Amino acid sequence: NAGVMQNPRHLVRRRGQEARLRCSPMKGHSHVYWYRQLPEEGLKFMVYLQKENIIDESGMPKERFSAEFPKEGPSILRIQQVVRGDSAAYFCASSPEQAAEAFFGQGTRLTVV
Amino acid sequence: AQSVTQLDSQVPVFEEAPVELRCNYSSSVSVYLFWYVQYPNQGLQLLLKYLSGSTLVKGINGFEAEFNKSQTSFHLRKPSVHISDTAEYFCAVSDGVLTGGGNKLTFGTGTQLKVEL
Repeated sequence: NAGVMQNPRHLVRRRGQEARLRCSPMKGHSHVYWYRQLPEEGLKFMVYLQKENIIDESGMPKERFSAEFPKEGPSILRIQQVVRGDSAAYFCASSPEQAAEAFFGQGTRLTVV
Repeated sequence: AQSVTQLDSQVPVFEEAPVELRCNYSSSVSVYLFWYVQYPNQGLQLLLKYLSGSTLVKGINGFEAEFNKSQTSFHLRKPSVHISDTAEYFCAVSDGVLTGGGNKLTFGTGTQLKVEL
């Protein structure tokens, strides 16, 4: 049973470009969470999704950021018109229903130049 | 709303010495508590968790933690550390399952454990 898969592991974008981060949850997991880790800081919750639904997006910046978890395929975190301040590690976690443990992927490290 | 405080940003310790990493939390409801470890440029690995039952929780790699409800603490301990324990350690809380919000975690800012020879 493969773990949570995130790709790419490293992503470099120029200011103004779009960044797409992908997350494939563990088999059988229907809940996906995205977190952002800024340098020298802990992880901050961004968004919680179930298949085709956004459940909680209280941690998402109001502009430029969006997330989806379609019926088929991975969850996508999209950042439009990236700025230097978006440089961070973005982690995805997944969990089965009614469980209290989330399993994390290895993250995507976004660098905006 | 919940919050997690990790009082020590860095903890240096000699190999084979004991270590305690402190974690305090605040929440208006019952919580689940977790400790995660992050090695450089890696994801988070779960060390241990407290859901209910015995307040002393044993995890992987010889770590343990004790849930103290009256002091709202969940300190992580290891009686004898190894060089390979050098990493960042994060304490986290979740009440989401109880409130219908899934397993949304609130993290502390982390403690860098540096084990020296």
